[in-house]
Amino acid sequence: EAAVTQSPRSKVAVTGGKVTLSCHQTNNHDYMYWYRQDTGHGLRLIHYSYVADSTEKGDIPDGYKASRPSQENFSLILELASLSQTAVYFCASSEGWGGAYEQYFGPGTRLTVL
Amino acid sequence: GDSVTQMQGQVTLSEDDFLFINCTYSTTWYPTLFWYVQYPGEGPQLLLKVTTANNKGISRGFEATYDKGTTSFHLQKASVQESDSAVYYCVLGERGTGSNRLTFGKGTKFSLIP
Repeated sequence: EAAVTQSPRSKVAVTGGKVTLSCHQTNNHDYMYWYRQDTGHGLRLIHYSYVADSTEKGDIPDGYKASRPSQENFSLILELASLSQTAVYFCASSEGWGGAYEQYFGPGTRLTVL
Repeated sequence: GDSVTQMQGQVTLSEDDFLFINCTYSTTWYPTLFWYVQYPGEGPQLLLKVTTANNKGISRGFEATYDKGTTSFHLQKASVQESDSAVYYCVLGERGTGSNRLTFGKGTKFSLIP
């Protein structure tokens, strides 16, 4: 059974619209992450969280918000979607603090902003 | 900040050839180096993790080591097969910062010559 799931798997949004991407994990991990993947850029960290009701900015947080209502769920919110936010988005989870732990990734959400 | 440089964007080889992918890294923290592999339509998954310089990580026929003196790490496989076709990411993890963040290289797409 997949331990990190994402919904939707693909979405088409209009410029200026609101988009919410959802992530659910059953790993019982404290840490969760949102990345975006673009050709030629690898994966870049947008937001992360290490406890419910708290989120932290990653390397490219502008234009994105995150919400962690529970240990299992982590959402990425685009309040005003723009063309430049067309990408594949991955959620991941990991355990631990103070170490470099393996991150477990979901299958990704392909977002197209028109 | 932390960075990873992965220069080979694409590698194409014949079956049973030797595969070698090299990266360099920069960090002010104690590094842990990972190799993640991503198959089409899936999220990245851990292939290898190396926590100590000059130690060797081995998994699925792949080997990885890192050299603290040259701040480089590499992935190799003696005899590649069709099933190895994927994108390989070198990844830097921080130890001791509390964020559990990973920094990804841009990825190397490996495929066999048809």
